[in-house]
Amino acid sequence: NAGVTQTPKFRILKIGQSMTLQCTQDMNHNYMYWYRQDPGMGLKLIYYSVGAGITDKGEVPNGYNVSRSTTEDFPLRLELAAPSQTSVYFCASSIRTGGNGELFFGEGSRLTVL
Amino acid sequence: AQSVTQLDSHVSVSEGTPVLLRCNYSSSYSPSLFWYVQHPNKGLQLLLKYTSAATLVKGINGFEAEFKKSETSFHLTKPSAHMSDAAEYFCVVSRYGGSQGNLIFGKGTKLSVKP
Repeated sequence: NAGVTQTPKFRILKIGQSMTLQCTQDMNHNYMYWYRQDPGMGLKLIYYSVGAGITDKGEVPNGYNVSRSTTEDFPLRLELAAPSQTSVYFCASSIRTGGNGELFFGEGSRLTVL
Repeated sequence: AQSVTQLDSHVSVSEGTPVLLRCNYSSSYSPSLFWYVQHPNKGLQLLLKYTSAATLVKGINGFEAEFKKSETSFHLTKPSAHMSDAAEYFCVVSRYGGSQGNLIFGKGTKLSVKP
C-alpha cells in the first residue's frame, strides 16, 4: 500500500538553485495538495489541484510552481531557492475536497537552503 | 473568517493518565473540524472528524472529541495515555468558500508521555 510517495526525503540547496519535489499517489484521488510546515506554525497550503490539468494557488504560493499532467503526479518546483524556503514539505491527496474528506499525507521532504 | 487556536503548545502526561488537548475555533458558519496526528518524521494522519452529525466523535486509538458550539471548542481527549501516543497533534477547521478544500491548521500541540 504505497499511498502518497514523496521524493527526495532530504535535500540541501544553495541560494539561487532550483529543484523539483516529486509527489505521486496510487489511490486515484482527484485532489492533491502541497503544504509547507515550519516549526510552531502548523501547515500552510502552497498549491492545490482538483484534477489533471487544473491547479490553483494556496496561501503561500510565491517562489513555487506546480503542474498536474496526470492524476497520479503533482510535482512542486522551486525556482531560485531562498533561505525562507527552508522547511518541511508535505504532499497530500483526497477523494473529496479537504473540507469534507480525509487527507492522505506523504512522509515529507525536508529542504534546507544555505 | 475561520480560524483555529490550540491553547497549549506542549502537554506532558504520565502513561495511564488522561489526555486533554484543547482547541478553540472561530467560524461564521457550521464548520467541519478535524484532529490529525503526526508521529516523528512522518506525515499527518487523520484521528477523527466532525461534520455536523453527532457532537461526540470517536476516532482511532481510543481518542475522542466533543464539538461544543456554545464554547466554540473541539477538545481532544483520551482516558488513558500510552507511550505510543507521544506525537504532535493538529486541530484543523475547514475553510468555506475561497480555495476549495482549504483547511486551516492550528499550530500544533506536542504531547509527551512519561513512563
